[in-house]
Amino acid sequence: DQQVKQNSPSLSVQEGRISILNCDYTNSMFDYFLWYKKYPAEGPTFLISISSIKDKNEDGRFTVFLNKSAKHLSLHIVPSQPGDSAVYFCAASGSGTSYGKLTFGQGTILTVHP
Amino acid sequence: NAGVTQTPKFRVLKTGQSMTLLCAQDMNHEYMYWYRQDPGMGLRLIHYSVGEGTTAKGEVPDGYNVSRLKKQNFLLGLESAAPSQTSVYFCASSYNKVTSGSFSTDTQYFGPGTRLTVL
Repeated sequence: DQQVKQNSPSLSVQEGRISILNCDYTNSMFDYFLWYKKYPAEGPTFLISISSIKDKNEDGRFTVFLNKSAKHLSLHIVPSQPGDSAVYFCAASGSGTSYGKLTFGQGTILTVHP
Repeated sequence: NAGVTQTPKFRVLKTGQSMTLLCAQDMNHEYMYWYRQDPGMGLRLIHYSVGEGTTAKGEVPDGYNVSRLKKQNFLLGLESAAPSQTSVYFCASSYNKVTSGSFSTDTQYFGPGTRLTVL
Protein backbone atom coordinates (compact mmCIF):
# COMPACT_ATOMS: atom_id res chain seq x y z
CA ASP A 1 0.00 0.00 0.00
CA GLN A 2 1.75 3.10 -1.30
CA GLN A 3 0.80 5.86 1.15
CA VAL A 4 2.79 8.51 -0.71
CA LYS A 5 2.62 8.54 -4.48
CA GLN A 6 4.42 10.47 -7.15
CA ASN A 7 2.54 9.51 -10.27
CA SER A 8 4.87 11.14 -12.76
CA PRO A 9 8.09 9.13 -13.11
CA SER A 10 9.72 11.91 -15.12
CA LEU A 11 9.36 15.56 -16.09
CA SER A 12 11.20 17.51 -18.78
CA VAL A 13 11.33 21.32 -18.65
CA GLN A 14 13.09 24.09 -20.53
CA GLU A 15 15.57 26.24 -18.63
CA GLY A 16 13.92 29.34 -17.22
CA ARG A 17 10.44 27.83 -17.16
CA ILE A 18 8.51 26.54 -14.16
CA SER A 19 8.85 22.95 -12.97
CA ILE A 20 5.90 21.52 -11.05
CA LEU A 21 6.32 18.21 -9.26
CA ASN A 22 3.30 16.58 -7.69
CA CYS A 23 2.75 14.23 -4.78
CA ASP A 24 -0.38 12.62 -3.33
CA TYR A 25 -0.81 10.92 0.02
CA THR A 26 -3.51 8.76 1.57
CA ASN A 27 -2.70 8.70 5.29
CA SER A 28 -4.64 11.47 7.06
CA MET A 29 -2.25 11.17 10.04
CA PHE A 30 0.58 12.73 8.02
CA ASP A 31 1.21 16.28 9.21
CA TYR A 32 4.68 17.12 7.96
CA PHE A 33 5.90 16.94 4.41
CA LEU A 34 9.33 17.24 2.88
CA TRP A 35 10.97 17.32 -0.52
CA TYR A 36 14.36 15.77 -1.08
CA LYS A 37 16.61 16.07 -4.11
CA LYS A 38 18.94 13.31 -5.20
CA TYR A 39 21.80 13.34 -7.67
CA PRO A 40 23.22 10.08 -9.06
CA ALA A 41 25.60 8.25 -6.70
CA GLU A 42 24.74 10.60 -3.84
CA GLY A 43 22.36 10.47 -0.92
CA PRO A 44 19.15 12.53 -0.90
CA THR A 45 19.52 16.09 0.34
CA PHE A 46 16.79 18.07 2.06
CA LEU A 47 15.20 20.76 -0.06
CA ILE A 48 12.12 22.21 1.61
CA SER A 49 9.39 21.19 4.02
CA ILE A 50 5.90 22.21 5.10
CA SER A 51 3.83 21.60 8.18
CA SER A 52 0.12 20.82 7.89
CA ILE A 53 -0.72 24.09 9.66
CA LYS A 54 0.48 25.93 6.55
CA ASP A 55 -0.55 25.75 2.90
CA LYS A 56 2.54 27.29 1.39
CA ASN A 57 6.24 27.54 2.16
CA GLU A 58 8.75 29.39 0.06
CA ASP A 59 12.54 29.26 -0.07
CA GLY A 60 14.17 31.13 -2.91
CA ARG A 61 13.23 29.48 -6.21
CA PHE A 62 11.43 26.64 -4.43
CA THR A 63 7.84 26.76 -3.19
CA VAL A 64 5.84 23.90 -1.74
CA PHE A 65 2.05 24.00 -1.72
CA LEU A 66 -0.11 21.79 0.47
CA ASN A 67 -3.78 21.05 -0.17
CA LYS A 68 -4.91 19.06 2.86
CA SER A 69 -8.45 18.45 1.66
CA ALA A 70 -7.13 16.89 -1.54
CA LYS A 71 -4.19 15.24 0.24
CA HIS A 72 -1.93 16.72 -2.38
CA LEU A 73 1.30 18.67 -2.36
CA SER A 74 3.37 20.15 -5.11
CA LEU A 75 6.84 21.58 -5.51
CA HIS A 76 7.31 24.57 -7.81
CA ILE A 77 10.74 25.53 -9.08
CA VAL A 78 10.93 28.95 -10.72
CA PRO A 79 12.97 29.55 -12.77
CA SER A 80 14.26 26.07 -13.50
CA GLN A 81 17.99 25.64 -14.04
CA PRO A 82 19.98 22.78 -15.58
CA GLY A 83 21.54 22.13 -12.15
CA ASP A 84 18.06 21.29 -10.87
CA SER A 85 18.12 18.10 -12.94
CA ALA A 86 17.86 15.32 -10.37
CA VAL A 87 15.42 12.88 -8.81
CA TYR A 88 12.94 14.54 -6.46
CA PHE A 89 11.32 12.60 -3.64
CA CYS A 90 8.43 13.78 -1.56
CA ALA A 91 8.18 12.35 1.94
CA ALA A 92 5.66 12.49 4.76
CA SER A 93 5.63 11.99 8.48
CA GLY A 94 2.94 12.07 11.15
CA SER A 95 2.74 12.77 14.86
CA GLY A 96 0.60 9.67 15.16
CA THR A 97 3.40 7.43 13.92
CA SER A 98 6.75 6.69 15.45
CA TYR A 99 8.76 9.85 15.65
CA GLY A 100 11.06 10.61 12.79
CA LYS A 101 9.73 7.96 10.44
CA LEU A 102 9.41 9.17 6.87
CA THR A 103 7.35 7.58 4.12
CA PHE A 104 8.74 8.34 0.69
CA GLY A 105 7.19 8.54 -2.74
CA GLN A 106 8.73 6.74 -5.70
CA GLY A 107 10.51 9.81 -7.00
CA THR A 108 10.25 11.98 -10.13
CA ILE A 109 13.20 12.46 -12.46
CA LEU A 110 13.42 16.14 -13.44
CA THR A 111 15.41 17.07 -16.52
CA VAL A 112 15.96 20.76 -17.23
CA HIS A 113 17.16 21.42 -20.77
CA PRO A 114 19.41 24.41 -21.53
CA ASN B 1 32.37 18.02 9.86
CA ALA B 2 31.85 14.97 7.63
CA GLY B 3 28.09 14.69 8.20
CA VAL B 4 26.88 11.14 7.57
CA THR B 5 29.34 8.59 6.20
CA GLN B 6 28.76 5.02 5.09
CA THR B 7 31.15 2.10 4.75
CA PRO B 8 31.60 0.39 2.32
CA LYS B 9 30.44 2.19 -0.84
CA PHE B 10 30.08 -1.00 -2.87
CA ARG B 11 29.91 -4.69 -2.02
CA VAL B 12 29.17 -7.92 -3.84
CA LEU B 13 28.05 -10.91 -1.79
CA LYS B 14 27.14 -14.48 -2.56
CA THR B 15 23.83 -15.86 -1.34
CA GLY B 16 24.13 -16.91 2.28
CA GLN B 17 27.08 -14.69 3.15
CA SER B 18 26.89 -12.16 5.93
CA MET B 19 28.05 -8.58 6.16
CA THR B 20 27.73 -5.40 8.21
CA LEU B 21 27.18 -1.91 6.86
CA LEU B 22 28.50 0.90 9.01
CA CYS B 23 26.95 4.34 9.32
CA ALA B 24 28.60 7.13 11.26
CA GLN B 25 27.45 10.69 11.97
CA ASP B 26 29.32 13.52 13.65
CA MET B 27 26.36 15.88 14.20
CA ASN B 28 25.39 14.52 17.64
CA HIS B 29 22.02 13.46 16.27
CA GLU B 30 19.74 11.34 18.40
CA TYR B 31 17.87 9.60 15.60
CA MET B 32 19.39 7.33 12.97
CA TYR B 33 17.77 5.36 10.15
CA TRP B 34 18.50 2.71 7.55
CA TYR B 35 16.65 2.80 4.22
CA ARG B 36 16.82 0.79 1.07
CA GLN B 37 16.10 2.18 -2.38
CA ASP B 38 14.85 -0.02 -5.18
CA PRO B 39 13.82 1.05 -8.68
CA GLY B 40 10.29 2.44 -8.74
CA MET B 41 9.89 2.01 -4.99
CA GLY B 42 11.37 5.14 -3.48
CA LEU B 43 13.13 4.77 -0.12
CA ARG B 44 11.76 2.28 2.40
CA LEU B 45 12.65 2.31 6.06
CA ILE B 46 14.34 -0.87 7.31
CA HIS B 47 15.14 -0.05 10.96
CA TYR B 48 15.62 3.08 12.99
CA SER B 49 16.97 4.16 16.36
CA VAL B 50 15.77 6.96 18.62
CA GLY B 51 18.88 6.93 20.77
CA GLU B 52 21.94 5.03 21.88
CA GLY B 53 21.08 1.46 22.81
CA THR B 54 17.61 1.53 21.21
CA THR B 55 16.39 0.18 17.87
CA ALA B 56 13.01 -0.35 16.25
CA LYS B 57 11.61 -1.99 13.13
CA GLY B 58 10.64 0.01 10.11
CA GLU B 59 8.64 -0.92 7.05
CA VAL B 60 10.84 -3.76 5.69
CA PRO B 61 12.89 -5.20 8.60
CA ASP B 62 12.95 -8.90 7.65
CA GLY B 63 16.42 -10.30 6.99
CA TYR B 64 18.19 -7.39 8.68
CA ASN B 65 19.45 -6.66 12.18
CA VAL B 66 20.78 -3.41 13.61
CA SER B 67 22.71 -2.16 16.59
CA ARG B 68 23.31 1.28 18.10
CA LEU B 69 26.01 0.75 20.70
CA LYS B 70 27.36 4.27 20.31
CA LYS B 71 25.36 7.40 19.61
CA GLN B 72 27.35 8.22 16.50
CA ASN B 73 27.21 4.76 14.89
CA PHE B 74 24.37 2.69 13.49
CA LEU B 75 25.18 -0.76 12.09
CA LEU B 76 23.04 -2.73 9.65
CA GLY B 77 23.68 -6.47 9.46
CA LEU B 78 22.68 -9.08 6.94
CA GLU B 79 23.07 -12.52 8.52
CA SER B 80 22.36 -14.58 5.40
CA ALA B 81 22.21 -12.45 2.27
CA ALA B 82 19.59 -13.14 -0.40
CA PRO B 83 19.32 -11.82 -3.98
CA SER B 84 16.19 -9.89 -2.89
CA GLN B 85 18.48 -7.76 -0.72
CA THR B 86 20.28 -6.39 -3.76
CA SER B 87 19.67 -2.69 -3.37
CA VAL B 88 21.16 0.68 -2.54
CA TYR B 89 21.24 1.28 1.20
CA PHE B 90 21.09 4.73 2.71
CA CYS B 91 21.71 5.74 6.28
CA ALA B 92 20.28 8.97 7.68
CA SER B 93 20.30 10.87 10.95
CA SER B 94 18.25 13.65 12.48
CA TYR B 95 17.83 15.64 15.69
CA ASN B 96 14.14 15.42 16.47
CA LYS B 97 12.43 18.38 18.09
CA VAL B 98 8.98 19.26 19.32
CA THR B 99 7.14 21.95 17.41
CA SER B 100 3.71 23.45 17.92
CA GLY B 101 2.79 20.94 20.60
CA SER B 102 3.33 17.90 18.43
CA PHE B 103 6.38 16.05 17.28
CA SER B 104 7.59 16.84 13.80
CA THR B 105 10.33 15.22 11.88
CA ASP B 106 13.44 17.30 11.82
CA THR B 107 15.51 17.27 8.66
CA GLN B 108 17.07 13.91 7.96
CA TYR B 109 20.62 14.02 6.62
CA PHE B 110 21.58 11.16 4.36
CA GLY B 111 24.83 9.39 3.69
CA PRO B 112 26.09 8.72 0.15
CA GLY B 113 24.75 5.18 0.03
CA THR B 114 26.08 1.62 -0.23
CA ARG B 115 25.39 -0.34 -3.39
CA LEU B 116 24.99 -4.01 -2.48
CA THR B 117 24.69 -6.83 -4.99
CA VAL B 118 23.83 -10.35 -3.84
CA LEU B 119 24.52 -13.05 -6.41
